Amino acid sequence: GAVVSQHPSWVICKSGTSVKIECRSLDFQATTMFWYRQFPKQSLMLMATSNEGSKATYEQGVEKDKFLINHASLTLSTLTVTSAHPEDSSFYICSARDPGGRFQYFGAGTRLSVL
Amino acid sequence: KQEVTQIPAALSVPEGENLVLNCSFTDSAIYNLQWFRQDPGKGLTSLLLIQSSQREQTSGRLNASLDKSSGRSTLYIAASQPGDSATYLCAVNPSGGSYIPTFGRGTSLIVHP
Repeated sequence: GAVVSQHPSWVICKSGTSVKIECRSLDFQATTMFWYRQFPKQSLMLMATSNEGSKATYEQGVEKDKFLINHASLTLSTLTVTSAHPEDSSFYICSARDPGGRFQYFGAGTRLSVL
Repeated sequence: KQEVTQIPAALSVPEGENLVLNCSFTDSAIYNLQWFRQDPGKGLTSLLLIQSSQREQTSGRLNASLDKSSGRSTLYIAASQPGDSATYLCAVNPSGGSYIPTFGRGTSLIVHP
């Protein structure tokens, strides 16, 4: 089946620094990718929809200047957490919509810890 | 707005038991429903996908059913094993073209030897 690669799997950073997370579709082209955030024992919350070649669509309450999304190619979307703070510590998961457009393939997630 | 509820939130059983995990949703205008497994600190692994026109799907020891009119799906795990220990998430994809799923909070399952 289709594979979505997410990197890094775990990152620790100091407060105030920026962190970039990559999401790649390895064997298919994904015009649409999604970024989710998951708190412990909670469900996945959609942060934004990333569209290749255009601006991302952010969900209500998600700061677009803090969570920068770039989808520059059909196989790569990046999420940059700018000026990270401890409250940004969470598990971030990306997904890519399948070529048929009807469901999503998920990455393995990135554990972000901000000290 | 679609709401997805999973019951129970947590389950601990001895090895060998047959299990039923429940998922309910408020808006029956769905395209499909998907069950995922998530191991601690890991991403999601798709287990079963049921289209809105289907009643059930089976894969090995797993069977998922869907009753769209009543807004319910169940995941049945036969002869549970310690390796089944994980969190099981239900995701409902809406009809209408967005195909952005709404997730439940999951059922945390522990199967002990």
